Amino acid sequence: DAGVIQSPRHEVTEMGQEVTLRCKPISGHNSLFWYRQTMMRGLELLIYFNNNVPIDDSGMPEDRFSAKMPNASFSTLKIQPSEPRDSAVYFCASSIRGPSTEQYFGPGTRLTVT
Amino acid sequence: QQQVKQSPQSLIVQKGGISIINCAYENTAFDYFPWYQQFPGKGPALLIAIRPDVSEKKEGRFTISFNKSAKQFSLHIMDSQPGDSATYFCAASKGDDKIIFGKGTRLHILP
Repeated sequence: DAGVIQSPRHEVTEMGQEVTLRCKPISGHNSLFWYRQTMMRGLELLIYFNNNVPIDDSGMPEDRFSAKMPNASFSTLKIQPSEPRDSAVYFCASSIRGPSTEQYFGPGTRLTVT
Repeated sequence: QQQVKQSPQSLIVQKGGISIINCAYENTAFDYFPWYQQFPGKGPALLIAIRPDVSEKKEGRFTISFNKSAKQFSLHIMDSQPGDSATYFCAASKGDDKIIFGKGTRLHILP
């Protein structure tokens, strides 16, 4: 298996622009997670899905962030409009079932908003 | 009550020594305690995990010690090697509730 696939790996954009991050989970995994990692705040869970349904989005910072999972093999995290404080590494992870089983992380997307 | 407090923030150990990282939690309902290892430029990867029905779990040089009454758990790395240099995260969760990560410990093993 190729593991969790994320794209792009790096994104540099200007403040105010829309940013879309993409994730393909491991086939057969029923849960998908979006995390944000910064030096100051560490690793934060933004949202997670079970069977394509959002279960907990309490970590989504504000209305500028949205996430979708239209099918079992694809998810997006969108930031509109982007701000410099959104600069971070965004990870997607998947697991067979739920947060309490092994999560497999993708390589991450490094986002820089200037 | 949802926090997981991890210490130390950074740790330097001589090659061959024992590395010890500690975590404390408050929510007694947590029933899954994993440790993740992250190398620079990579995503975290599960290293070892424990559930509260056992007090210790060992996998190779890595051991989790779990103290339910104290609400603490720790990671011990025996015979630490330079290749163990990474950031380590403890975490805790309950069922389908979201997992809570500690802030991480940067471990550096001196050659």
